[in-house]
Amino acid sequence: AQKVTQAQTEISVVEKEDVTLDCVYETRDTTYYLFWYKQPPSGELVFLIRRNSFDEQNEISGRYSWNFQKSTSSFNFTITASQVVDSAVYFCALSEVSNDYKLSFGAGTTVTVRA
Amino acid sequence: NAGVTQTPKFRILKIGQSMTLQCAQDMNHNYMYWYRQDPGMGLKLIYYSVGAGITDKGEVPNGYNVSRSTTEDFPLRLELAAPSQTSVYFCASSPLGRHQPQHFGDGTRLSIL
Repeated sequence: AQKVTQAQTEISVVEKEDVTLDCVYETRDTTYYLFWYKQPPSGELVFLIRRNSFDEQNEISGRYSWNFQKSTSSFNFTITASQVVDSAVYFCALSEVSNDYKLSFGAGTTVTVRA
Repeated sequence: NAGVTQTPKFRILKIGQSMTLQCAQDMNHNYMYWYRQDPGMGLKLIYYSVGAGITDKGEVPNGYNVSRSTTEDFPLRLELAAPSQTSVYFCASSPLGRHQPQHFGDGTRLSIL
């Protein structure tokens, strides 16, 4: 069964629009970690954020913000005032203690920001 | 400031050939990983290592082998290349503390024809 679901395959927006990426995860662990990675067209994976299961405080970092809700098993990611450089594939990933902390990745959401 | 270095960046193999994908990290990280990324999919873990001399299978290990003789290096071996192994391969490393973020190399694009 898929542990991390990113239901949105592709999102296309015009520059300066906000875009929210959904991530739903499934785990029986009480201790786990959630991650977002960005993969720009150049291909490398860039770490964006990590949250642990005990910290539901939402976070804002520049134009990025994250909404972690344990009640709905969701860890959504919003880009405010999108820019062309935000065009990339974004991956949500889950790390569980019961899985020896190995990362389970979602299938990714491709974001295209048009000028 | 190299981080995780993968070589080669691109390679075309014929069915049945063998090759080794190289991965080296200079961050003194204990943990290292190999993933494959197929089109439109997330990353799947092939093998991982928690330290020199210790390796373990991930989700999709068949057709691959690894070794970890040093902290720095974690090569991935394909013995008999098959078309199903056409993929982009990523190596990653992370420091002690398994919940730490993984640092990824730039990937190796491998085609088996």
